[in-house]
Amino acid sequence: AQKVTQAQTEISVVEKEDVTLDCVYETRDTTYYLFWYKQPPSGELVFLIRRNSFDEQNEISGRYSWNFQKSTSSFNFTITASQVVDSAVYFCALRYNFNKFYFGSGTKLNVKP
Amino acid sequence: DVKVTQSSRYLVKRTGEKVFLECVQDMDHENMFWYRQDPGLGLRLIYFSYDVKMKEKGDIPEGYSVSREKKERFSLILESASTNQTSMYLCASSKTWGGNTIYFGEGSWLTVV
Repeated sequence: AQKVTQAQTEISVVEKEDVTLDCVYETRDTTYYLFWYKQPPSGELVFLIRRNSFDEQNEISGRYSWNFQKSTSSFNFTITASQVVDSAVYFCALRYNFNKFYFGSGTKLNVKP
Repeated sequence: DVKVTQSSRYLVKRTGEKVFLECVQDMDHENMFWYRQDPGLGLRLIYFSYDVKMKEKGDIPEGYSVSREKKERFSLILESASTNQTSMYLCASSKTWGGNTIYFGEGSWLTVV
């Protein structure tokens, strides 16, 4: 069975703090893709990153970084020096069975000034 | 840029009404999806289409139907709206090959009274 767990329902931090959003996945597929999306209050899910199962290199994009570890089935997302504009719901997702996606339940991040 | 457009941002409908939610994508994507998003439940797949006139049931298809007569357009139909279908509906699309990142529309907030 495919599964994505985002255990943190809601996180609150003060601006400039670093924050890590956890994502643990479960799949029997040997080839799969993992994604992170951001959903600001406006509602649209914005694509942030895609990782395939063969590429365990960490990724950094500005203040965002992602840590993919197959050994622990985790794909965690860190925001460095958080800003108020980072406040949103963040979803981790797994693509499996060629064209199907499974989304976690999301983590709501509140960044306070 | 990929553009997924949902025709209605906010709708209020009466119980028993037939409701159409329209979605158009402009990137020639083979796959289109309808998700429903509810607090605490994340995104749940209603229906998926991988080609014109082709569809597959997702996790929660009851009470919904879909139509895909043209590649760029995917419609979600609520034959007889009920109050428990009050929700946020998200349309998405993806290519079949090349990692197929899924791209979302802005969402349609449906209230059934």
